[in-house]
Amino acid sequence: QKEVEQNSGPLSVPEGAIASLNCTYSDRGSQSFFWYRQYSGKSPELIMSIYSNGDKEDGRFTAQLNKASQYVSLLIRDSQPSDSATYLCAVNMRNTGNQFYFGTGTSLTVIP
Amino acid sequence: DAGVIQSPRHEVTEMGQEVTLRCKPISGHNSLFWYRQTMMRGLELLIYFNNNVPIDDSGMPEDRFSAKMPNASFSTLKIQPSEPRDSAVYFCASSFTGTANTGELFFGEGSRLTVL
Repeated sequence: QKEVEQNSGPLSVPEGAIASLNCTYSDRGSQSFFWYRQYSGKSPELIMSIYSNGDKEDGRFTAQLNKASQYVSLLIRDSQPSDSATYLCAVNMRNTGNQFYFGTGTSLTVIP
Repeated sequence: DAGVIQSPRHEVTEMGQEVTLRCKPISGHNSLFWYRQTMMRGLELLIYFNNNVPIDDSGMPEDRFSAKMPNASFSTLKIQPSEPRDSAVYFCASSFTGTANTGELFFGEGSRLTVL
């Protein structure tokens, strides 16, 4: 079992729709969770971080964390073509000395 | 403030040659990570330094790979000898690790390596 798992997609949504991205992780003691966006040929950039159970909203983005289920998700409301990218889930795992582990990413395409 | 700086941005070399990738982390960050990204395997953690000390190098593929961090502002990843399967984008990232948790990772722009 991989440390961090994501649906690889690709995921396609029409412009204006909600895109939902999911991620599960193996280390129950993990404390920090991040969503990165990576455009083709570019480096990953942080879009959301979440540390506590529940929802965290930032503009059109909402991160949801459920530590009991070891599940973290990202919702993108009013999706725009500029949101088309690969979204990477990252988990900072305490039981492995604070390493960051990444999922393989979900490719999102927003269709105009 | 400058971000994480990597060099070279692109490297094309022939099989068997030595490759050295360089990274300057963000000033004040005490953790440095080297990742390799390929289409097949995604982002793989190669090695992680904390306060210049290698904490976990279990992701280093084999003895051909080595990494050093002689001081807080510089790290290298060396491949010798290089092989075509080493072709990938290599990212350096840094963060600040406190007693409670680790802050976000900041990535450099990556070094794209092609081994012919």
